[in-house]
Amino acid sequence: QQQVKQSPQSLIVQKGGISIINCAYENTAFDYFPWYQQFPGKGPALLIAIRPDVSEKKEGRFTISFNKSAKQFSLHIMDSQPGDSATYFCAASWPGNTGKLIFGQGTTLQVKP
Amino acid sequence: DSGVTQTPKHLITATGQRVTLRCSPRSGDLSVYWYQQSLDQGLQFLIQYYNGEERAKGNILERFSAQQFPDLHSELNLSSLELGDSALYFCASSAGQGDFYEQYFGPGTRLTVT
Repeated sequence: QQQVKQSPQSLIVQKGGISIINCAYENTAFDYFPWYQQFPGKGPALLIAIRPDVSEKKEGRFTISFNKSAKQFSLHIMDSQPGDSATYFCAASWPGNTGKLIFGQGTTLQVKP
Repeated sequence: DSGVTQTPKHLITATGQRVTLRCSPRSGDLSVYWYQQSLDQGLQFLIQYYNGEERAKGNILERFSAQQFPDLHSELNLSSLELGDSALYFCASSAGQGDFYEQYFGPGTRLTVT
């Protein structure tokens, strides 16, 4: 079963607009929620991450909103730029000392100039 | 550049064959993770090693095995290959184990099974 569900599958946003990607998780034991950015031909790279005791985390134009009761979290990209065009993955980490990540299916973002 | 290297970059092989994918972690990183990325399954965790020992296992098939050597490089062995094994295989490394440590992904090995 898919423990982390991500939507939408693809997203087209105009330059300067706000991109919003949503994720929902099932297992309340997850204790760390990172977002990864992947450009074509490259491996994923950590963008921003949050823990469930925080409702929001902001780093530059990127913000994670976290709703523990709804078991949902989302990535907001403000003032989206063509250089943000990439595939974004949300993930959740199993508790325990491993770092094992469960990824969502990914969202392909295209920012039009 | 993440500092994680993977070889080969591309691999084309036939069904039933066996291949070995190699990963060199960032200098000083003790943990190595293997992930499989395919169109239908997305990015899936396979296995993790920390300082030579297996620490966590995901949905890794019995036909697949991995190990981490004393110099900390890791190899993923895929045997009795099937068409469905065609995918991108990523290695990631981190300084320690646990989500406190960021995972740095390599560029991946693209495996095509014909």
